[in-house]
Amino acid sequence: NAGVTQTPKFRVLKTGQSMTLLCAQDMNHEYMYWYRQDPGMGLRLIHYSVGEGTTAKGEVPDGYNVSRLKKQNFLLGLESAAPSQTSVYFCASSYEREKLFFGSGTQLSVL
Amino acid sequence: AQSVTQLDSQVPVFEEAPVELRCNYSSSVSVYLFWYVQYPNQGLQLLLKYLSGSTLVKGINGFEAEFNKSQTSFHLRKPSVHISDTAEYFCAVLHTGGFKTIFGAGTRLFVKA
Repeated sequence: NAGVTQTPKFRVLKTGQSMTLLCAQDMNHEYMYWYRQDPGMGLRLIHYSVGEGTTAKGEVPDGYNVSRLKKQNFLLGLESAAPSQTSVYFCASSYEREKLFFGSGTQLSVL
Repeated sequence: AQSVTQLDSQVPVFEEAPVELRCNYSSSVSVYLFWYVQYPNQGLQLLLKYLSGSTLVKGINGFEAEFNKSQTSFHLRKPSVHISDTAEYFCAVLHTGGFKTIFGAGTRLFVKA
């Protein structure tokens, strides 16, 4: 049972480049989330989804887009990367809202 | 809106000593409260949660937390820590009717031999 899988694990981008982070879960969870983790700031919610075909904004949505075309996948896109988006990105999913299952993270550097 | 304040960014402690990691929250509505733990280079995992009922909640690895509504606190405690408890600990809050779990800034626990 893989749980929550994030790809890629590491990525280096140049300012202005675009990329997509993929999150896949095999637990049939309804809810999925994207967080970013920065030193001294904890985890901040970027976007989330309460079911297939739905998305909603979190605390820090600017500069990111998401899609949930299939229940098991939640994609996070950066259309034009900026150095301020250098961070560690975590995907999480849950069946009940009260317990999040996290992936192992994607370390993104934007130069 | 909810917010979470973790009062200590780093807590050094000797092995077998007790530890308390402090967490205060702010919310105008009913909330659920959580502690998550993050070991180096890993994602977060749930340590314990308070949903309702008894204010003393026991979690994995010997940790426990007490919900204090009047002080809006949810402090995490362990009576005797091990080297393996070295990790970052996050307090989090979720509105009972919402979907967004909000995290604090984290507390790094260093357990020294």
